[in-house]
Order: sequence, then C-alpha cells, then structure tokens
Amino acid sequence: TQLLEQSPQFLSIQEGENLTVYCNSSSVFSSLQWYRQEPGEGPVLLVTVVTGGEVKKLKRLTFQFGDARKDSSLHITAAQPGDTGLYLCAGEKGSGNTGKLIFGQGTTLQVKP
Amino acid sequence: DAGITQSPRHKVTETGTPVTLRCHQTENHRYMYWYRQDPGHGLRLIHYSYGVKDTDKGEVSDGYSVSRSKTEDFLLTLESATSSQTSVYFCAISIGGTVYGYTFGSGTRLTVV
Repeated sequence: TQLLEQSPQFLSIQEGENLTVYCNSSSVFSSLQWYRQEPGEGPVLLVTVVTGGEVKKLKRLTFQFGDARKDSSLHITAAQPGDTGLYLCAGEKGSGNTGKLIFGQGTTLQVKP
Repeated sequence: DAGITQSPRHKVTETGTPVTLRCHQTENHRYMYWYRQDPGHGLRLIHYSYGVKDTDKGEVSDGYSVSRSKTEDFLLTLESATSSQTSVYFCAISIGGTVYGYTFGSGTRLTVV
C-alpha cells in the first residue's frame, strides 16, 4: 500500500529555473525525511522535518512540513545541473528512529545546462 | 562515510537458487534494516533488526529471511530466488544521536533469470 504520493515523478528543466516537489499522504508521520540518490548509490539524507509547519533551508533547497504532518514539499531555487538526481521523500511513524520508513515513488530531476 | 558496506554489489542468479546478501557496518549500531527498491515503488522495508538475534518482518518480507549473529553483520537470504525478487537491495542503519534519518549502503543489484 502506497501511503506517500510524490509528484511529479519526472521533471526536466533548464538551469536557473525554480521547481517544487510534493509529497502527500493521508497519514500522519512523526518525521518526514528527504533523500537524494545518485545512480548506482544509496539514498543520502538531505534533511528531516519533525514539527508541523516547520521550514528548513539547505542552501538553495527549502523543505516544508505541513501543519498536520501529512505532507511536505521541496523547493529548489535557481536549479543547477549538479542538482540532477532522484529525490525521495520518506515518512516515519512512531517515536525515534524506528527504521520503518514509507517512501514516495521518487522524483527524477534533470537540470539541463 | 558511515561505514556500511554491502556485498556483493552485483549478482545474477537462476530461479530457484538460494542467495545471501551481506551488510556489514563498523558503527556498532543496534538497528539495521533491509530495503528493496523497484521502479514506481520507491524503497520498501523487507526486514529489520534491533540487535543480535533480534529481527522482525517489514512490509514485503515474503520469500526472505534474515540473520544477525553479530552486531556488525546483517544477512538477507532469498531461500529460493524468483524473478519477482529481481531488484536493488539496500541496507541501512540509523544515523544516530539527535538526527532522525538513516545511512544507506551502496546497494546490491540482484537479477534472477
């Protein structure tokens, strides 16, 4: 059962454009994690949001957790070719690091120079 | 790097044969996890371990077994491989401390023919 709907699944944009990736669910999560994955490698954690309404910034990346802790978004400003990759959101239930993550399907981002 | 190694990195096996994948960590973490990644499904939890000889099933555990005889090693076994088990398998450990998030290995690409 897919509990996290991630959209869009594929995005191809020009360098310098802005973009937003959405992660939606009907379930409440204790935390929402965003990962980036390169071909042939495992996902690498970008950020974790744990409080409803929380906003975190990582350079040109802005992450937001919905007030009800059911959804999240990733916004990239002025995308660069180095941002190309697979972005995954993952919701975690329960307190602490349970390891029981529910992943979205992923968003493949291609940034053209 | 967080000190998590998966082996082998690639394997091709025939239907009906047993296969064992290994995850080795040097971080002395109690908790270890096995996920599989398939197109359109993101990552899904197969089994997890909370310590030596302490394991439990995840979302997609049918056809898989695990063993944890030492803190540093978590083995995933496909008792009789099927084509539906063709996938990329990732091992993960929690990052630890106050960070909610996980470190993933580089993965094992398994093809069952």
